[in-house]
Amino acid sequence: KAGVTQTPRYLIKTRGQQVTLSCSPISGHRSVSWYQQTPGQGLQFLFEYFSETQRNKGNFPGRFSGRQFSNSRSEMNVSTLELGDSALYLCASSDGSSVGNQPQHFGDGTRLSIL
Amino acid sequence: KQEVTQIPAALSVPEGENLVLNCSFTDSAIYNLQWFRQDPGKGLTSLLLIQSSQREQTSGRLNASLDKSSGRSTLYIAASQPGDSATYLCANSMKTSYDKVIFGPGTSLSVIP
Repeated sequence: KAGVTQTPRYLIKTRGQQVTLSCSPISGHRSVSWYQQTPGQGLQFLFEYFSETQRNKGNFPGRFSGRQFSNSRSEMNVSTLELGDSALYLCASSDGSSVGNQPQHFGDGTRLSIL
Repeated sequence: KQEVTQIPAALSVPEGENLVLNCSFTDSAIYNLQWFRQDPGKGLTSLLLIQSSQREQTSGRLNASLDKSSGRSTLYIAASQPGDSATYLCANSMKTSYDKVIFGPGTSLSVIP
């Protein structure tokens, strides 16, 4: 069974640009969550999608958005990039249908660097 | 607001030692607690998941315990190996939003050959 796939692995952008990251969950998983990991803040929850609907949201500005497609693949978009957006962005998938008893499976992340 | 802390922040042990990593959380209304491992530049690998109704889980040399009343979990690693060197993170899902996972800052483990 293929794991969670994130593309691209590395990305370099400049301030003011926008970026789209992609995540393909494990086959059969309907829940996809996104996290931002930085040395200073650690791992922070961005949002979670289940069956194409945003079900949970963290405390990030509106520049961070996402969506989920009918095949459960998810994209995350960041507009008007700032230097502080440089981070490792991780995607995780789980079955999502049984409350709280399914482990999350993570991809290897997209390393975003803002110049 | 749930806060998760991990002690120690870093740990260095000789190969073969048994060790314990600690995780504390402030709100006991959790659905589960999960331990992850992260290797440099990589994503997270799930090690063990303990449901709120459970007290412990075991997988090979790993044993995780959960005490909701005291807001603590421990990860016990037996007979440590150099390949165990990584950052270990604990995380929990809250009953108010079970798929919103809150992570601790992690413990960086080095096992010296």
